[in-house]
Amino acid sequence: GAVVSQHPSRVICKSGTSVKIECRSLDFQATTMFWYRQFPKKSLMLMATSNEGSKATYEQGVEKDKFLINHASLTLSTLTVTSAHPEDSSFYICSAARQGYYEQYFGPGTRLTVT
Amino acid sequence: GNSVTQMEGPVTLSEEAFLTINCTYTATGYPSLFWYVQYPGEGLQLLLKATKADDKGSNKGFEATYRKETTSFHLEKGSVQVSDSAVYFCAPYLPWGQLTFGSGTQLTVLP
Repeated sequence: GAVVSQHPSRVICKSGTSVKIECRSLDFQATTMFWYRQFPKKSLMLMATSNEGSKATYEQGVEKDKFLINHASLTLSTLTVTSAHPEDSSFYICSAARQGYYEQYFGPGTRLTVT
Repeated sequence: GNSVTQMEGPVTLSEEAFLTINCTYTATGYPSLFWYVQYPGEGLQLLLKATKADDKGSNKGFEATYRKETTSFHLEKGSVQVSDSAVYFCAPYLPWGQLTFGSGTQLTVLP
């Protein structure tokens, strides 16, 4: 149990376009989902925390107008990178937690390349 | 808040060698402690965890003991395999706080 999927696994987009990444909890209800960004050979950086039905809480330095997060249901959160630029190229990982539990279950990640 | 200091990599070992990856943390309370593993091109998988002092987490031959007195959670394995090659992250967590990741330690096991 506790499987989290991400789609797409890889995406290449042109500079200036927007791209949406989906994160789904397949076999449990995730009241909280997290979005991380991982640079090459670096640790994970928490971008934002989203609770179902409410606005996401962004970490300091993360532009909320650029990285739009929606958590409309208990099994789905989306991250939209708007007006993408090459510096947004990265590995984006989501995780999900059940209500009342702190353990996070991670998705397999999405590799975004902006050309 | 939490912070974590993890042994710098990369670490290169021969198959069947003994592995230790050091991890120490600072926290205002008593965090739960996790080790995550990331295989090439993949997301993170929980390797093991310990939720209170003196607990030992274990999985796939890996072990780590929650040492409150030294605020450490070192990862060990007695005999590594090529398939253990991955990046390992130490991560303390305070309930309803933030999961804080260490910098990651790249392990390469040579046949």
